Amino acid sequence: DADVTQTPRNRITKTGKRIMLECSQTKGHDRMYWYRQDPGLGLRLIYYSFDVKDINKGEISDGYSVSRQAQAKFSLSLESAIPNQTALYFCATSDLGRYEQYFGPGTRLTVT
Amino acid sequence: QKEVEQNSGPLSVPEGAIASLNCTYSDRVSQSFFWYRQYSGKSPELIMSIYSNGDKEDGRFTAQLNKASQYVSLLIRDSQPSDSATYLCAVNDAGNNRKLIWGLGTSLAVNP
Repeated sequence: DADVTQTPRNRITKTGKRIMLECSQTKGHDRMYWYRQDPGLGLRLIYYSFDVKDINKGEISDGYSVSRQAQAKFSLSLESAIPNQTALYFCATSDLGRYEQYFGPGTRLTVT
Repeated sequence: QKEVEQNSGPLSVPEGAIASLNCTYSDRVSQSFFWYRQYSGKSPELIMSIYSNGDKEDGRFTAQLNKASQYVSLLIRDSQPSDSATYLCAVNDAGNNRKLIWGLGTSLAVNP
């Protein structure tokens, strides 16, 4: 089984809808991250969390919110989806005291 | 603004040749450096970590770090068509040790 899982893997939604992307991990890592990736723009950090009480904004948090329900679960919500939020979304984890991050398989989100 | 720069490519090499990928970074106090491989539509996969000046070898991959010149490189020996992917360079953000700074990636094509 994969160490970091993301659901759904693909999602098409309409402008204005609320959508939640979920991430779960069995690696036992404390740190979790949400990124989006767009062609030509690379990986951009949306939010990151060190534990259930620690939530931090990344470079592009506007229009997004997160919830760290448990050490192993970190969800990303788009409150009112817009077309320019169409992207590939990745969840990642890292261990306390380490910098390397391990990625889930990604969610391809299309907002029409 | 802390940056990690990579030549976007595409870098094209024949099968069996050595592929050389380069990355420069702006933050002099960064201590941890990573290479990730990303196939089209897939998530980044960690392939090399390097922390000290010099070379680190792992199979066909060699990472080279020169902190004085602020560059890190990845050599792939005996390149195979399966090495065709985008290679991302990442560096720890020394001002915020919970984050990585990502390059945009270099696209590598290995031609049979």
